[in-house]
Amino acid sequence: GDSVTQTEGLVTLTEGLPVMLNCTYQSTYSPFLFWYVQHLNEAPKLLLKSFTDNKRPEHQGFHATLHKSSSSFHLQKSSAQLSDSALYYCALSLAHAGAKLTFGGGTRLTVRP
Amino acid sequence: GGIITQTPKFLIGQEGQKLTLKCQQNFNHDTMYWYRQDSGKGLRLIYYSITENDLQKGDLSEGYDASREKKSSFSLTVTSAQKNEMAVFLCASSISWGEAGQLYFGEGSKLTVL
Repeated sequence: GDSVTQTEGLVTLTEGLPVMLNCTYQSTYSPFLFWYVQHLNEAPKLLLKSFTDNKRPEHQGFHATLHKSSSSFHLQKSSAQLSDSALYYCALSLAHAGAKLTFGGGTRLTVRP
Repeated sequence: GGIITQTPKFLIGQEGQKLTLKCQQNFNHDTMYWYRQDSGKGLRLIYYSITENDLQKGDLSEGYDASREKKSSFSLTVTSAQKNEMAVFLCASSISWGEAGQLYFGEGSKLTVL
């Protein structure tokens, strides 16, 4: 079946350093890929969504590129901020499966001063 | 904008007890979901409802029942709480079944079973 793998459960960075959170997927079909972010005691919310035309989505300084050859959609940011500390989920959906999302295990990012 | 309201925020139950979580959305969205959140396991889909009067099982439906009372509300019942179980249940909605990926979540209901 379809699956999403986030290899790092915990990532700790110093403020100002670059961020890269890994996401790889397995799917028989060409999925849409997403990043959701959940700050402490808040609801998860959509951060980024892959485009069908290979544009690179960006939001709040974060970006991700869908690489079909390596089945990856890594999340990146050039300079981490304290406010980036949160739980990040990668997820996929398939066009024929409607809005149903399959999530990865999540990566908790902690940014220290 | 809209909001998803989950009640209660915290629920403490006894082993074997039937427990119900409620979710209300004012987005006027067609589709609603219940996910279970466990550390390291991500979010796993329990039940979803494509439209009012529809009910579909997700990957983790065993041990749960759900009910879509009306378009704006979706309830989840833990049919028999397991001792020492702890989890967060997240309700979500999307405009329609065809809108891939844009889910709006509530803040969650935390379940503790003694």
